Amino acid sequence: AQRVTQPEKLLSVFKGAPVELKCNYSYSGSPELFWYVQYSRQRLQLLLRHISRESIKGFTADLNKGETSFHLKKPFAQEEDSAMYYCALRGGDKVIFGPGTSLSVIP
Amino acid sequence: DTGVSQNPRHKITKRGQNVTFRCDPISEHNRLYWYRQTLGQGPEFLTYFQNEAQLEKSRLLSDRFSAERPKGSFSTLEIQRTEQGDSAMYLCASSLSTVGNTEAFFGQGTRLTVV
Repeated sequence: AQRVTQPEKLLSVFKGAPVELKCNYSYSGSPELFWYVQYSRQRLQLLLRHISRESIKGFTADLNKGETSFHLKKPFAQEEDSAMYYCALRGGDKVIFGPGTSLSVIP
Repeated sequence: DTGVSQNPRHKITKRGQNVTFRCDPISEHNRLYWYRQTLGQGPEFLTYFQNEAQLEKSRLLSDRFSAERPKGSFSTLEIQRTEQGDSAMYLCASSLSTVGNTEAFFGQGTRLTVV
């Protein structure tokens, strides 16, 4: 079964502190993993995907197949990073989302 | 705005009424997805189309729900005999299914309230 879990519903950090949003998945094949972000009053948008191996807005995520994890990290949080973050998995043709983590960056 | 467009943005209906939502995807995108999102949850997959063919439906999609994409362009999602439990945000997304390009672009959603 395809499943994405995000153990933290809420995460608060101070500006300038490191951030790690956790994501674990279960999938029998080779998944494609994504992080989507939703800023206040905006639509859901792609932040990054594991196959790109890129850093977007200072965020990175590494796929760890052994631990079935795809944690999102940023070394120094900014106030504009406050948003809902969803980890997602593509298995086959559909994308399955986790429940989301609300990140709040305290000035 | 050339992104995914959904109408209406908000819909309030009485229990038992039928409602229909529309999604206009990005024009060259051949895949179209419908999701439902309730408070505190991530988007839940409902169904998706490849061009005009509906290829997969979630078990969440009861017999009261039907989706169409008649010409492979816009799509409609109809809910018959609405129930209070249908209250949610209904999201549409589209993508172009090419090798190495699988990003789904989302619309703003239609918020349904059943009273």
